[in-house]
Amino acid sequence: AQSVTQLGSHVSVSEGALVLLRCNYSSSVPPYLFWYVQYPNQGLQLLLKYTSAATLVKGINGFEAEFKKSETSFHLTKPSAHMSDAAEYFCAVSVYYGGSQGNLIFGKGTKLSVKP
Amino acid sequence: KAGVTQTPRYLIKTRGQQVTLSCSPISGHRSVSWYQQTPGQGLQFLFEYFSETQRNKGNFPGRFSGRQFSNSRSEMNVSTLELGDSALYLCASSLRGGSTNEKLFFGSGTQLSVL
Repeated sequence: AQSVTQLGSHVSVSEGALVLLRCNYSSSVPPYLFWYVQYPNQGLQLLLKYTSAATLVKGINGFEAEFKKSETSFHLTKPSAHMSDAAEYFCAVSVYYGGSQGNLIFGKGTKLSVKP
Repeated sequence: KAGVTQTPRYLIKTRGQQVTLSCSPISGHRSVSWYQQTPGQGLQFLFEYFSETQRNKGNFPGRFSGRQFSNSRSEMNVSTLELGDSALYLCASSLRGGSTNEKLFFGSGTQLSVL
C-alpha cells in the first residue's frame, strides 16, 4: 500500500535562505510523486511531478525535487526563499488501483513561513 | 480556459441541516474528485466521479453523497450536518482521472461552517 510522510508540519526560513521540505513515500511499485502548493484561501496547484523520466524534477517558481529510490524520498528544495513562497506544501503519491484512498494520497502538509 | 469553479465560496449551516456544494470542472475534463480538508486530518478523499459514475469512494459515512451530470459538473451533498463536518471542501478535475500521473486542477474550495 502506498503512503506519504512529510517531516515537519511547520518550517520557517529567512528570505534568501535555502528551502528544504521533506517527503518520504512508501510504495510497492514505482510511484508517481507530486508536490502541490496551497496559498491562503486558495485550492492546491501543482508545483512538479515525478514520472520516472528523470530523477531531478524542476517545477514552477524555482522549486525542484529529487527522487531517491534508495532513500524512498522526494524532498522539495529551492535555493533562495522569497516572501511569496509562504504557503502550505503537500507531497502526494499516485495510487495504482484507487479504492477508498482515492487516486492520490496526500501527506499532512508542511507550512512554510518566510521571515524578512 | 476557465478553471475549476466551486460554489458557494462560504456556507454557514446549523447542525441537522443539509447542504449541497457545486463544482464545475475545466471544460473537457471528465473526472471530478472531492476532498475534505481540515487542520487536524489534512486532505481526505471523499469520492471520484467519471462520466457520471462513481469510480472510487473514501471512508466517509453515508451522509456524504455526490453525483455527476452529463456535462461533468458535480455536486456533493451532506445530510444531517454535524459540527465535525466543518471543513474546506475541495473539488479537483482532470481529463481521465484514475491511476495515472495526471495533474489535478483544484478549485478554491467551499468553506463550510456548521454551528
